[in-house]
Parts: sequence; C-alpha cells; structure tokens
Amino acid sequence: GEDVEQSLFLSVREGDSSVINCTYTDSSSTYLYWYKQEPGAGLQLLTYIFSNMDMKQDQRLTVLLNKKDKHLSLRIADTQTGDSAIYFCAPTRPASNYQLIWGAGTKLIIKP
Amino acid sequence: DVKVTQSSRYLVKRTGEKVFLECVQDMDHENMFWYRQDPGLGLRLIYFSYDVKMKEKGDIPEGYSVSREKKERFSLILESASTNQTSMYLCASSPGDRGVTEQFFGPGTRLTVL
Repeated sequence: GEDVEQSLFLSVREGDSSVINCTYTDSSSTYLYWYKQEPGAGLQLLTYIFSNMDMKQDQRLTVLLNKKDKHLSLRIADTQTGDSAIYFCAPTRPASNYQLIWGAGTKLIIKP
Repeated sequence: DVKVTQSSRYLVKRTGEKVFLECVQDMDHENMFWYRQDPGLGLRLIYFSYDVKMKEKGDIPEGYSVSREKKERFSLILESASTNQTSMYLCASSPGDRGVTEQFFGPGTRLTVL
C-alpha cells in the first residue's frame, strides 16, 4: 500500500542547516507537501513541490525531489530556535488531488 | 484568514458514551477532513467529505461516523467510545480547486476516553 517514511527526530545546532528526509512508495503523487506543526499550534503548509520539478527554493527553504528514488527532502538553512517543530511530509494520494498520505513527522530539535 | 474551529480543545468521556466532535470552517471550502494524530503514527485519515452530504471512508473509519448537513460544518461521531480512541483529533478543510490545494487545520481536540 501507500506509505511515507520519515525519521522521528533530528537534532541540529542553531545556525547549521537542517535536512529532513522522506521516502514514499507511490511515484504517481502529483504534489508533495511539507507541513509544519509548532508546539501547541495547528498544522500549517510550509511549502510544496510539483512532481515534474526536482528543486524548489523559497528563502531559507530548499525542497529536493528525486522521483527515481522516491525521495523528498526539506533543507532549512541557518536553522533558528523558531524552527523547532514537527515537520510532516505529505504527498498527494494517487488519483486524488485532495487527499494526502502523511508521514509520521520529524521533530526538529535545535541545540544552542 | 481561513478559520477552522473545533468545538472543544479537551474532552474527557467514559467508555461507551456517544461523542460528537464538531468542526466549522468559514471559507466556503468544498472539502473537509477528519484525522487522528498519534505519536509516531502521524496523521491518519478517518473520513473525507467533498460536498454536502457526501463522504468517503479514509484509512481508519471503524468506530466512527460523520455528518455534513451544511457546507461549513463537518461532525465526527464516536458511536460508543472506547479507550483506544483516546487521541488528538484534527479537522481540516481545503478548496475544491485543481492544482495545489492547501489544507487548513483547526487547533485539534484532545479526547481522553476513560
């Protein structure tokens, strides 16, 4: 069946780059999203990439997509304490524009 | 700003009780979703609705039902609550457009079943 895998935790030093990785099983996902959940807050869309792209940059965020290996990554440059959150990888479900397949989420821990 | 509100932030119920969780969105979105979020498991879709009175089962519909009588309101019903339904319940809505569609989430309801 469809599956999305992420590491549960990532610890980085403040000022370093964070790279959160995600692997998924279904190559027909049209859009691949990253959502962010801050402590005590709801989930919010952080960024996304269309399946025919291999990279997207948005300020400190870089999304890389390797369709051949079914691998998605989110790089956060110059990680700050405000980046502490859980990050979810969520590709669209095959044949659906609306439903997503969610990873377990990666908790990003920032060390001073 | 899109606003998705949920009827309660915290709820404590007893085993066997009927539980209603309500979700309201104010952006005229076609799609609404109910998820449960458990540590290490991420978000799992319980039910999805793409229009008034229309619903689709998600990955874990057993023990739950839903109701969408009005476009802005989507209710999740636990017919007979059990301890394994203790969880965080998240409601979301999204527009029915093609292309990129962002899901907007409510703050969640933390349900404890004793």
